[in-house]
Amino acid sequence: NAGVTQTPKFQVLKTGQSMTLQCAQDMNHEYMSWYRQDPGMGLRLIHYSVGAGITDQGEVPNGYNVSRSTTEDFPLRLLSAAPSQTSVYFCASSRRQGGYGYTFGSGTRLTVV
Amino acid sequence: AQSVAQPEDQVNVAEGNPLTVKCTYSVSGNPYLFWYVQYPNRGLQFLLKYITGDNLVKGSYGFEAEFNKSQTSFHLKKPSALVSDSALYFCAVPRGYKYIFGTGTRLKVLA
Repeated sequence: NAGVTQTPKFQVLKTGQSMTLQCAQDMNHEYMSWYRQDPGMGLRLIHYSVGAGITDQGEVPNGYNVSRSTTEDFPLRLLSAAPSQTSVYFCASSRRQGGYGYTFGSGTRLTVV
Repeated sequence: AQSVAQPEDQVNVAEGNPLTVKCTYSVSGNPYLFWYVQYPNRGLQFLLKYITGDNLVKGSYGFEAEFNKSQTSFHLKKPSALVSDSALYFCAVPRGYKYIFGTGTRLKVLA
């Protein structure tokens, strides 16, 4: 199994540009989430989904959109990139809430100039 | 509210010595607690979890963690550190469909 696949691994954007970070999982997990990781701040939840067609906001949703049209895919869209969105982004999936833990993708390092 | 705290930003230990990475939690009810490890330029990897039962939980790569209800702690331990254990470690607690992560502790094992 591939697990959780994120693309691209690296990206440089100019302020104001838009882009989509891709995330796909092949484990038939119900739950998928997007986190951003910044130095000294740990991981902060951006958006999450509990199943196809169902998404909700996390701690830091502003400037990001998500959709979940299939169980496998959970793309994250940056609408108009800002330097404050420079970060490392992780997608994660889980079979169910509570005690099952997350499987993480390898991350996308985004720089906005 | 569910939360976890990692009081140390960095822990340094000599190779071969025992290591401890600290985590305290604030959880209502019976807690589920997790440890994850992140190696440079990689995603987080699951190390171990506490759901119920024995207070000493064994995980990957020789790590273990001790659940202490009276002290609300879930410290990560290893009897003999390796240089390859150098990484960023996160404690986490599920909150409904989401996970709350600590701010991370950077472990540096010195040769």
